[in-house]
This record gives sequence, structure tokens and C-alpha cells, in this order.
Amino acid sequence: DIQMTQSPSTLSASVGDRVTITCRASQTISGFLAWYQQKPGKAPKLLIYKASNIEDGVPSRFSGSGSGTDFTLTISSLQPEDFATYYCQHYDNYQWTFGQGTRVEIK
Amino acid sequence: VEMEESGGSVVHPGGSLRLSCAASGIQFGSYAMSWVRQAPGQGPEWVATISGTGFNTYYADFVRGRFTVSRDNSKNTLYLQMNSLRAGDTATYYCANNNWNDMSYFNHWGPGTPVTVSS
Repeated sequence: DIQMTQSPSTLSASVGDRVTITCRASQTISGFLAWYQQKPGKAPKLLIYKASNIEDGVPSRFSGSGSGTDFTLTISSLQPEDFATYYCQHYDNYQWTFGQGTRVEIK
Repeated sequence: VEMEESGGSVVHPGGSLRLSCAASGIQFGSYAMSWVRQAPGQGPEWVATISGTGFNTYYADFVRGRFTVSRDNSKNTLYLQMNSLRAGDTATYYCANNNWNDMSYFNHWGPGTPVTVSS
């Protein structure tokens, strides 16, 4: 099975900072990589799909990139509402796998 | 698009539970639908997916043989029958629709319904 490892597990940042979260696969994967944001007590929300496509309604400060085994989610200028936990998710052959999450907290 | 899960409860180990998910604002029968769970303090974990027609189902290894996903397209409703429940099944269960063309990600999620397996 393909394992998805996110880093860091926790990230402390300030409003206005550029933030990058990494998701590494245990082997080369296709571009079926999505990113979600989750706030406490709420369901995950889709941000990015197929590695680099931004979901409708998601602010343009969010972007995704990567290929092979390494993928990144970047927030270009962190806003107060962006403090949350972020998860990557991979799809392959009717199996969907999530990373363990990166918590973005206020510095 | 709105989805709302129901049926979560406290159940004893070995017991059964049936979850439902009512969807609106979506051409329900055109989308694969999934159940994803999240244990307290943990990340999401995919559980099961059913094709738009209901003909094809897919399960995570840890629920295969215990859980059954089904749907009623005439009622825009998704179901998850959970049998032989274990303490490790304790989680919030979310329903979500897969994207239309390749099912590779989850577009819209319900708020979740909590399931607690405890004696």
C-alpha cells in the first residue's frame, strides 16, 4: 500500500507568512493528489485537486504543485481564517489514502 | 449541494448500526458516493465507495466483510450498514460525493455523524 507522509506535523506561522506543506508518497504516484482544509468540529473542505487545480471558491492564495513522490500545498500570504489542519489525499485503483495532517497554528 | 448524515449512536462491541446520508442540490445518481471516517484526534480514513449506479462497491480492508455500502437513487440517499462493530470503529462518519469523471477526490462533505462503540 502507498503511504502518504506529511511534513511538518505542526507549523507555527504569522499572518502574512508564506506557508508550505509537503506530502510525500512512499512510491511514485499519479497526479491524483488532493488537499483539504479542516477546522475543529467541521468536515474537511476540498482546496486543491489533481495536484494543482484549485477548487471553485477557494482563495487564490492557495496553490498546489508537485509530481512523482513529492507534492506541496502553498499558502502565499497566511490569513487568520487559514489556521486549521491540512490533509493530502491520494487515489489509486479504488483506494483513497489520506496523510496524517499538518496543523497550522498561530505563532 | 448539501449532505446530511444520520444514524450515529452509541453501540456495544459486536453490535450493528445503519447510517444514512441524504443529499440535495446534486444529480445524485450521477456521482459515486463515499463514506470517510475520522477517529478523535486522527486524520480522515476512507471507508467505502459506491458507484453512481450502485453496481460497483469498494471497501477499505479493515471493513470488508463487516460493512456494506448501498444507495437508493430514487431517494437521493446513501447508506452504510455496519455489523460486528469494534472499539476501533469509533469515529465521526462523513458522507461525501466523489468527483464526476474519475472519482479521485471528494467534492462535498456532510457535517458527519458520531459513532461510539463501547461496552
